[in-house]
Amino acid sequence: QKEVEQNSGPLSVPEGAIASLNCTYSDRGSQSFFWYRQYSGKSPELIMFIYSNGDKEDGRFTAQLNKASQYVSLLIRDSQPSDSATYLCAVIVVGGSNYKLTFGKGTLLTVNP
Amino acid sequence: DAGVTQSPTHLIKTRGQHVTLRCSPISGHKSVSWYQQVLGQGPQFIFQYYEKEERGRGNFPDRFSARQFPNYSSELNVNALLLGDSALYLCASSLDELGGGYTFGSGTRLTVV
Repeated sequence: QKEVEQNSGPLSVPEGAIASLNCTYSDRGSQSFFWYRQYSGKSPELIMFIYSNGDKEDGRFTAQLNKASQYVSLLIRDSQPSDSATYLCAVIVVGGSNYKLTFGKGTLLTVNP
Repeated sequence: DAGVTQSPTHLIKTRGQHVTLRCSPISGHKSVSWYQQVLGQGPQFIFQYYEKEERGRGNFPDRFSARQFPNYSSELNVNALLLGDSALYLCASSLDELGGGYTFGSGTRLTVV
């Protein structure tokens, strides 16, 4: 089982719709959870981070974390064409004094005008 | 404030050669980590450094090494380059190992021929 798995894409939504991106992780010791956005040919850009169970909202973005189910999601409301990018879920796994930021493969989102 | 800076931006090397990639973190950030990203995949963790000490190592061969300097900048070295080392190499900095997300530099595109 891969450490971080994301829902297979690509995902296509119309402009103004809600885009839902999902991620599961295998290590129950995972402590911090991140969503990054990566445009083609660019480096990842942090959108949100979440540490505690529940929802965290920032503008049009909502991250949801359920540690019991080892599940983290990202909702994008009122999707815009500029949201078209690859979305990467990332998890920090701590082993002793070692920290490892592990990424999923990414989900390509296309928002159609 | 300057973000994370990486140099060079692009590099072409021949198989068997050695390469050194450099990274300067955001001012005040004490943690630097390195990632390799090939097309269509999420970034793969290579190393994590905090306060000049190695705090994590990914599943990469010993040909990969890194260090962090007293000013918190970092170098990634790769010896005996293989064609498969061709990738985008990303550096990220953060306040500490868990601190609020990692900010990525623009990356170094390495091509091994």
